[in-house]
Amino acid sequence: DSGVTQTPKHLITATGQRVTLRCSPRSGDLSVYWYQQSLDQGLQFLIQYYNGEERAKGNILERFSAQQFPDLHSELNLSSLELGDSALYFCASALAKSTDTQYFGPGTRLTVL
Amino acid sequence: QQQVKQSPQSLIVQKGGISIINCAYENTAFDYFPWYQQFPGKGPALLIAIRPDVSEKKEGRFTISFNKSAKQFSLHIMDSQPGDSATYFCAASRAYNTDKLIFGTGTRLQVFP
Repeated sequence: DSGVTQTPKHLITATGQRVTLRCSPRSGDLSVYWYQQSLDQGLQFLIQYYNGEERAKGNILERFSAQQFPDLHSELNLSSLELGDSALYFCASALAKSTDTQYFGPGTRLTVL
Repeated sequence: QQQVKQSPQSLIVQKGGISIINCAYENTAFDYFPWYQQFPGKGPALLIAIRPDVSEKKEGRFTISFNKSAKQFSLHIMDSQPGDSATYFCAASRAYNTDKLIFGTGTRLQVFP
């Protein structure tokens, strides 16, 4: 158990809908990272937050957004969902912005029908 | 330049054998190279990591070999066990910069008794 929690575990929704994925980092960790894992793209970095502020952006679509709250939990919002958005979404946390070890949560499996 | 190329895609090893997974990178700014292990239905978990100031790092049955001039690094699993059956990802990042991990495409290892 990494200490990172993610909810929900599974999410099934329809095209065009909007969903919110939630992540609670390990106690004391200030950085949160979001990754998307799909069969054809592997693990792709989406976005990083550090202590409430966006720090780095990766291959995140404009339909996706994220935020980190004062209690350090983070939410990833996915809107206008398409079939291709079906994937595993992982959150990882790390102690500080300039650290190495990222601890991954169990993931949220999103299925868009 | 941001890619990390990983091979093989899948690997079948007999119990007690040596499993070897290779990765190559292009960006010479990378200076942190972790390996993650992922079991089905779980998030990736850090297995072992290396920085380019050493050519080898060993932790138990797991060894990373690093060749800076060739821009290659590999994971060796000695005395492979059925419990090692999982997907292994290499990754790279600039440790004290943006921190985001660039992952290889993964290797599915199966160890048969």
